[in-house]
Amino acid sequence: DAGITQSPRHKVTETGTPVTLRCHQTENHRYMYWYRQDPGHGLRLIHYSYGVKDTDKGEVSDGYSVSRSKTEDFLLTLESATSSQTSVYFCAISAARPPDTQYFGPGTRLTVL
Amino acid sequence: KNEVEQSPQNLTAQEGEFITINCSYSVGISALHWLQQHPGGGIVSLFMLSSGKKKHGRLIATINIQEKHSSLHITASHPRDSAVYICAAYSGGGADGLTFGKGTHLIIQP
Repeated sequence: DAGITQSPRHKVTETGTPVTLRCHQTENHRYMYWYRQDPGHGLRLIHYSYGVKDTDKGEVSDGYSVSRSKTEDFLLTLESATSSQTSVYFCAISAARPPDTQYFGPGTRLTVL
Repeated sequence: KNEVEQSPQNLTAQEGEFITINCSYSVGISALHWLQQHPGGGIVSLFMLSSGKKKHGRLIATINIQEKHSSLHITASHPRDSAVYICAAYSGGGADGLTFGKGTHLIIQP
């Protein structure tokens, strides 16, 4: 299994609070991704990174920001959480650009009350 | 934007049956992935295809680029194959070019 961890694995927070999710990899892969998974939808890309300090928006980036200051860490921040951001968040990594195979982290279940 | 449709949405079968899950997409692609999501939530990549057929153990994936269709087959199905199977089609343009289907929920009963 690719070495990808996500923290926290579960979080309950209140509307309006800031939340940061962390993705950590030990594979030295260049590309990292944040997805959200919701019932009735396929996985949807929030943001991705193609190198340290190089990030770009995905399909559903509104309300989210990211940072990547080190190869191994990719942070996803919800500046002011809303109930619509209740979801399961997956981090993924790949060695090369799409369509290279992506390896997924275990997911973070976030509930915004 | 590519539209990726999977069928069936849900499938329940008996152990030993031959299983087929279908994936169709609306825009020409350069590659298609099949993923497996375990009941605990973890997602694993099974195959990446750009043409023809690939086989791994009891799993077979095929793709017909002209017909914009791919299938995932499971031979001699087993309860441990119970999972959600997801296809994802890549139509180019970077990370945004990967569109995921909603998944097929497969249950194999003993």
